[in-house]
Amino acid sequence: EVQLVESGGGLVQPGGSLRLSCVGSGFTFSNHWMHWVRQAPGKGLVWVSRIKSDGSTKTYADSVKGRFTISRDNAKNTLYLQMNSLRAEDTAVYFCARDGPGLSGADPDSWGQGTLVTVSS
Amino acid sequence: QSALTQPASVSGSPGQSITISCTGTNSDVGGYKYVSWYQQHPGKAPKVMIYDVSNRPSGVSDRFSGSKSGDTASLTISGLQAEDEAEYYCSSYSSSSTLVFGGGTKVTVL
Repeated sequence: EVQLVESGGGLVQPGGSLRLSCVGSGFTFSNHWMHWVRQAPGKGLVWVSRIKSDGSTKTYADSVKGRFTISRDNAKNTLYLQMNSLRAEDTAVYFCARDGPGLSGADPDSWGQGTLVTVSS
Repeated sequence: QSALTQPASVSGSPGQSITISCTGTNSDVGGYKYVSWYQQHPGKAPKVMIYDVSNRPSGVSDRFSGSKSGDTASLTISGLQAEDEAEYYCSSYSSSSTLVFGGGTKVTVL
């Protein structure tokens, strides 16, 4: 069974930093693209970033480009999201998601339960 | 990276069929086969119902089907059941090598 477990969320002041982690199990982590998707309270899903299976390709939404960095450690089956210069509008539940078996990098198919990030003074 | 356009809400009676639309541009929905649909119940993680426009993952009911025409993708739920009441989101790959989601559609079973 595919499992994704996020951690690292919490309360941070505007301008601060936070690093999220996502540990995957039940599948060959190093074979799959991975994504971060966020959802502000009461709002819809918003794609944040993705990273190729070997870490060689990374793409970001315009809203986080230059502030967030996605990375992975395949030896630890772990995906990361380093978030700097945080703003109130970054407040959301952050989900990690595995890309599907087609390996397109465009089909998130399994999701974690999410970790809440709150940016507030 | 504008969000795809979905109706805010769709409703139907048990046993009926409903269709949710997802409209983008030829830079996303119209240009690629990578359209997915997700079901999300309150407080839960999204669950993929359809991927690559019309493919259904194993374990997903065949009451769910997907299609695309031009810049608009659609999700049809046939034989509507109470458990189908949820928020539904579409997503698509885009020409900027990013993904974009729709704003979500609340499905209500009357």
